[in-house]
Amino acid sequence: GESVGLHLPTLSVQEGDNSIINCAYSNSASDYFIWYKQESGKGPQFIIDIRSNMDKRQGQRVTVLLNKTVKHLSLQIAATQPGDSAVYFCAESHGSWGKLQFGAGTQVVVTP
Amino acid sequence: NAGVTQTPKFRVLKTGQSMTLLCAQDMNHEYMYWYRQDPGMGLRLIHYSVGEGTTAKGEVPDGYNVSRLKKQNFLLGLESAAPSQTSVYFCASRLLGGTYEQYFGPGTRLTVT
Repeated sequence: GESVGLHLPTLSVQEGDNSIINCAYSNSASDYFIWYKQESGKGPQFIIDIRSNMDKRQGQRVTVLLNKTVKHLSLQIAATQPGDSAVYFCAESHGSWGKLQFGAGTQVVVTP
Repeated sequence: NAGVTQTPKFRVLKTGQSMTLLCAQDMNHEYMYWYRQDPGMGLRLIHYSVGEGTTAKGEVPDGYNVSRLKKQNFLLGLESAAPSQTSVYFCASRLLGGTYEQYFGPGTRLTVT
């Protein structure tokens, strides 16, 4: 029979608006966090990372915020563009050979 | 630099057949990883390697074997494919030291019928 896949959370954003993608992580011992972007049919692509001794880090059009108290991570994309349409994954690591534990992902759809 | 490359891009297998997926990286990275990605899910670690000649199990290792005979290559083997192994497989590599950023290949889409 046909299998039913999980449906990703979807964030619809109008072009030019700011996007905020949220992620709850599970391990309070995690000391490194990373965001990846995955376009359809491609491998994940690095966006930005942050260590646990920081609470904010900025890149080009992107900002990552880390709240260790509530184990929450967010990715802000400024002035969202059509090319930002993709699935965004957060991942955490707590040493152990730098293994990453990935979240399920959020689908971002940019509308004109 | 080509970065991380994966061979093949697509493959269809019958249940019980075997195959090997090849991952190659030209960045002189010590660490290499194999993940699988199923619809609507994040990536799950199958096996990883922290250097030539060493491998270790990840989160979902059953039904897979790996080898790292050369630093630049990491092979993932399926000895007897099952429909549950239908997935997209990604290889990644990382440099020793520095951040934990992993560089990913383009993926191999495998269907087991």
